[in-house]
Amino acid sequence: DIQMTQSPSTLSASVGDRVTIACRASQSISSWLAWYQQKPGKAPKLLIFAASSLERGVPSRFSGGGSGTEFTLTISSLQPDDVATYYCQHYNSYSGTFGQGTKVEI
Amino acid sequence: VTLKESGPVLVKPTETLTLTCNVSGFSLNNARMGVSWIRQPPGKALEWLAHIFSNDEKSYNTSLKTRLTVSEDPSKSQVVLTMTNMDPVDTATYFCARMQSRWLPLDSWGPGTLVTVSS
Repeated sequence: DIQMTQSPSTLSASVGDRVTIACRASQSISSWLAWYQQKPGKAPKLLIFAASSLERGVPSRFSGGGSGTEFTLTISSLQPDDVATYYCQHYNSYSGTFGQGTKVEI
Repeated sequence: VTLKESGPVLVKPTETLTLTCNVSGFSLNNARMGVSWIRQPPGKALEWLAHIFSNDEKSYNTSLKTRLTVSEDPSKSQVVLTMTNMDPVDTATYFCARMQSRWLPLDSWGPGTLVTVSS
């Protein structure tokens, strides 16, 4: 099974900072990677699919990159509303493995 | 598009859990559309459990495969997940979510339902 590893586990930054979260796959997954944002007590929200495609309605300060085994989620200018836990997910027609999450604090 | 999970709040160890996901705004008769189940223990990460595109096309988390069964009833717009031999470590919020195709991620989620396993 493919494993997904995120880093760091927790990230503390200031409003306006550029923030990057990493996600590594245990083997190549091409671009079959999504990023989700989850706030406490809520269901996750899809931000990025196909590694770098922005979901409709998601602010443009969010961007995704990478392919193969190394991926990133970048918030270009951190806002108070971005305080949340972020998850990467490898998805395809037969599985959907998540990373362990990165908590973003201000 | 809406999805909503329902089922017992409390189950006893060794019992079988049955959860239902009621969907609206899309049709389970559309073979492109799939529904996934995901769970999240309190304070922990998301864990993908299974997904279904039709009653002939299902996939399961390999570590839980022997305990899980997923099925759908398009006439009722429902997807059902059963998990056998429940244990306290299975205490979690269980979510269902939609996949618009086999090659797209989870774009719409239910609010989740907390299931506690305790005697």
